Amino acid sequence: DQQVKQNSPSLSVQEGRISILNCDYTNSMFDYFLWYKKYPAEGPTFLISISSIKDKNEDGRFTVFLNKSAKHLSLHIVPSQPGDSAVYFCAASETSYDKVIFGPGTSLSVIP
Amino acid sequence: DGGITQSPKYLFRKEGQNVTLSCEQNLNHDAMYWYRQDPGQGLRLIYYSQIVNDFQKGDIAEGYSVSREKKESFPLTVTSAQKNPTAFYLCASSPGYKLSGANVLTFGAGSRLTVL
Repeated sequence: DQQVKQNSPSLSVQEGRISILNCDYTNSMFDYFLWYKKYPAEGPTFLISISSIKDKNEDGRFTVFLNKSAKHLSLHIVPSQPGDSAVYFCAASETSYDKVIFGPGTSLSVIP
Repeated sequence: DGGITQSPKYLFRKEGQNVTLSCEQNLNHDAMYWYRQDPGQGLRLIYYSQIVNDFQKGDIAEGYSVSREKKESFPLTVTSAQKNPTAFYLCASSPGYKLSGANVLTFGAGSRLTVL
């Protein structure tokens, strides 16, 4: 049973527009949430995180929103750039040092 | 430069053979992890270790074994008991116990194993 779900396998967005990637989770014990970006044949790289005591965290073009009551988070990328084309993974853990559980990923294509 | 080194990058194996994937880190991290990536299934946790000489099974540990004799090293052996070993394997590390903040993993570049 997947504890972290990303129901959209793929997403296409025009360059300059907003990209919104969604993630749902089932484990109410998760306290930390992370987003990673991955290019083919490379390891994922960390983008941004949020703890359960916050509902928003922003870093440059990337903003993560957390709705704990709905067990839902989203990553907003504004403006989207062609270099953002990659697979994005949502991840979660129960504590600041616990194992990290990943979702299946969403492949983002930003069209020039 | 601090980072994680995985080797080999590509590995071919005949059915029935065990293979060992290497993972070395010089980040002075306490925790290390092995994930497997398959198309459409994201990253699935195989094993993790939060301290030397200790490790725990992840969600898909069957057919795999690990050791953690040194802080810097966390090798993964794919045994002949693993039914579908062809996959992309990713090693990661993190500082381990922290008072606050998310458990940010640093990943290696991955090893692609193909069973012939």
